[in-house]
Amino acid sequence: GQQLNQSPQSMFIQEGEDVSMNCTSSSIFNTWLWYKQEPGEGPVLLIALYKAGELTSNGRLTAQFGITRKDSFLNISASIPSDVGIYFCAGHLQGGSEKLVFGKGTKLTVNP
Amino acid sequence: ETGVTQTPRHLVMGMTNKKSLKCEQHLGHNAMYWYKQSAKKPLELMFVYSLEERVENNSVPSRFSPECPNSSHLFLHLHTLQPEDSALYLCASSFGALGSYGYTFGSGTRLTVV
Repeated sequence: GQQLNQSPQSMFIQEGEDVSMNCTSSSIFNTWLWYKQEPGEGPVLLIALYKAGELTSNGRLTAQFGITRKDSFLNISASIPSDVGIYFCAGHLQGGSEKLVFGKGTKLTVNP
Repeated sequence: ETGVTQTPRHLVMGMTNKKSLKCEQHLGHNAMYWYKQSAKKPLELMFVYSLEERVENNSVPSRFSPECPNSSHLFLHLHTLQPEDSALYLCASSFGALGSYGYTFGSGTRLTVV
């Protein structure tokens, strides 16, 4: 099936640092979505992107829909301990099945 | 609370047991999904229901049987499971099967098969 390559797999950072993670694919996507999953909970939608080049912020989070429509990144500025969790990218393939394709996730650990 | 409620939160069952997972949403969504989440794997889509009709079954073994009696409720009936079926089972819902505005997930049921 279609794959999203999400990197890095895990990150260990100090509180206050900025974080960047990304998803890439060989296929073109119509939408990109970023989710966060905390321990014991389901994923929660953070940001949704619908147009190539779109840059959207949600508080300290910023995500962009790549110009080629094959990638997206998520940045977190000035990280805090409650940012810990697993961040997933997801997207809808152009011309493909309507279902969402998910990345494997980036596990973020923030040391106080 | 996301608006999608899953019960039970945790379930331990033997390989010969029969149990059911329940999912309920009152968001007005008309599509519902079951996902399986295992360690170090991407989320695996199991079933999709749109307007209470099953529109996708991703080659899931018959020991998993979904049921969608109405647009607000979704069940996953389990029988004669294997230890490798132990995982977090997530329910999600969306406006339409396209889900362009994203899926809303429940908190999941942590299933352990012994």
